[in-house]
Amino acid sequence: EVQLVESGGGLVKPGGSLRLSCAASGLTLSEAWMSWVRQAPGKGLEWIGHIRSEADGGTTDYAAPVKGRFTISRDDSKNTLYLQMNSLKTEDTGVYYCMTGYWGQGTQVTVSS
Amino acid sequence: DIQMTQSPSSLSASVGDRVTITCQASQVINNYLNWFQHKPGKAPKLLIYDASILEAGVSSRFSGSGSGTDFTFTISSLQPEDIATYYCQYYDSLLIFGGGTKVEIK
Repeated sequence: EVQLVESGGGLVKPGGSLRLSCAASGLTLSEAWMSWVRQAPGKGLEWIGHIRSEADGGTTDYAAPVKGRFTISRDDSKNTLYLQMNSLKTEDTGVYYCMTGYWGQGTQVTVSS
Repeated sequence: DIQMTQSPSSLSASVGDRVTITCQASQVINNYLNWFQHKPGKAPKLLIYDASILEAGVSSRFSGSGSGTDFTFTISSLQPEDIATYYCQYYDSLLIFGGGTKVEIK
């Protein structure tokens, strides 16, 4: 059974940083295209970015609102996906999910002064 | 950029009703379309992939159809446990979600 467990969310001030983790079991992350998706309060799902599988080059793509501020990476030895978020804005508030067909339960990020 | 227009944004139906949700792409996307179910506080769940293929273990009352730019998601007989928000999702070099359809029981 595939399980994805996100962690690392919390309350941070505008301009601050946060690193989210997504620990996987039942799935080898390096063999999958992994995405981060978020949901702002009262809004729909928004794709943030992804990292390609190792076989497809392991490169990343990002949505325009986060490009240059967010970085997706992967630690194959820990089978864990990361989302480094810098220069956070209030509009980055929401629940953050890692996914690849399967989804985690999400972790709450709140950006507020 | 491709836009995914999902409608309606919400609907209310009775138990046993047939429910239909549409998703229209702004350009041809072949069959690169998934449908997800999202219940509050839970992880979203993949129901349909490649526009019409039912994910293993998912109830057969869910179905998907369409190709090109126009896609349809159907619940053949609405059940109380189907209360959720449903999303279409285009996937290729990036992911684009429809706006979601909140399904409620009348």
